[in-house]
Amino acid sequence: DAGITQSPRHKVTETGTPVTLRCHQTENHRYMYWYRQDPGHGLRLIHYSYGVKDTDKGEVSDGYSVSRSKTEDFLLTLESATSSQTSVYFCAISEFAENTEAFFGQGTRLTVV
Amino acid sequence: EDQVTQSPEALRLQEGESSSLNCSYTVSGLRGLFWYRQDPGKGPEFLFTLYSAGEEKEKERLKATLTKKESFLHITAPKPEDSATYLCAVNTDKLIFGTGTRLQVFP
Repeated sequence: DAGITQSPRHKVTETGTPVTLRCHQTENHRYMYWYRQDPGHGLRLIHYSYGVKDTDKGEVSDGYSVSRSKTEDFLLTLESATSSQTSVYFCAISEFAENTEAFFGQGTRLTVV
Repeated sequence: EDQVTQSPEALRLQEGESSSLNCSYTVSGLRGLFWYRQDPGKGPEFLFTLYSAGEEKEKERLKATLTKKESFLHITAPKPEDSATYLCAVNTDKLIFGTGTRLQVFP
């Protein structure tokens, strides 16, 4: 298994609070991604990173921000959580060019109440 | 608009009963198609990458094929441990996932 660790694995938070999810990799891969997975929608890209301090938006980036200060860590922050952000969040990494085969973490189940 | 559609949404097979899952796509420029397996409560697990029409890849009981409009994941003589959701994704200038086929194989 690719060395990807997501934390926390489960979280319940209240509407309006900030939340940060962490993705840590031990593979030294350049590219890192945050996806959300919802029934009927498949996996959708939130943000991605192509290097330290280099990030870009995906298709569902509103309400989310990211940071990558080290190769191994990619943080996803929900600035003010809303119920529509209740989802399962997956981090993924890929070694080569953007959008080549990606390897996924175990996911974080986030519930916003 | 780029789109990926998987069918069927769900499939129940008896052990040993071969079948195929479909992933059809309409994209402006395909750079690759990926198949993943996802078990409940886990992240997707990479299976195959296909880059050009006519290409085939095999792994154990799974075989993936690609045409200009669709990809098939053929499952030969499935076992209960093949039960999972199978996802396909196409790579254009971004990765677009289908919603998956939930496969159940019962003894």
